[in-house]
Amino acid sequence: DIQMTQSPSTLSASVGDRVTITCRASQSISSWLAWYQQKPGKAPKLLIYKASSLKSGVPSKFSGSGSGTEFTLTISSLQPDDFATYYCQQYNSYSWTFGQGTKVEIK
Amino acid sequence: EVQLLESGGGLVQSGGSLRLSCAASGLTFSSYAMSWVRQAPGKGLFWVSTIIASGGSTYYADSVKGRFTISRDNSKNTLYLQMKSLRADDTAVYYCAKHDVVITTVAAFDIWGQGTMVTVSS
Repeated sequence: DIQMTQSPSTLSASVGDRVTITCRASQSISSWLAWYQQKPGKAPKLLIYKASSLKSGVPSKFSGSGSGTEFTLTISSLQPDDFATYYCQQYNSYSWTFGQGTKVEIK
Repeated sequence: EVQLLESGGGLVQSGGSLRLSCAASGLTFSSYAMSWVRQAPGKGLFWVSTIIASGGSTYYADSVKGRFTISRDNSKNTLYLQMKSLRADDTAVYYCAKHDVVITTVAAFDIWGQGTMVTVSS
């Protein structure tokens, strides 16, 4: 099975900061990677698919990049609504593995 | 508006069974693969199972293979997860999710239900 590893596990940042989260796959997944945002008690929300494609309706401050085994999610200017947990997910193989999550906290 | 609504969660004893349902509306249900994802209390997301649009092929995480069965009724726009031999570590919120591209399973999950809680007591 393909393993997904996110870093960091927790990120402390201030409003207005630019933040980057990294996701590494244990083997190449081409560009078959998605990013989700989850707030406490809520279902995950799709932000990015195919590594860098922004889901319709998602603010352009979110961007994704990468291919193969290394990927990043960048939030250009952190706002209070962006404090949440972010997950990457691979969908290259017949097991749709998630990373362990990155919690973005207020510094 | 596309909506997914899970039901069927609850408290069950270890070794017991439960069937979850996910009712879909606002979409051509039969055109999309569907999945179940769970989240144990305070933990991350864990993919459980996927079924293709026609229902002809299914996929499972190793930890649930042989105990859980995913199915769908496209005439009722409903997805199911039959869970047997439940264990304490199956305790989680279970979400159903729609794949965001027609027919293929190679897709992200663009619509999620609100989740249904399953608690397995030992």
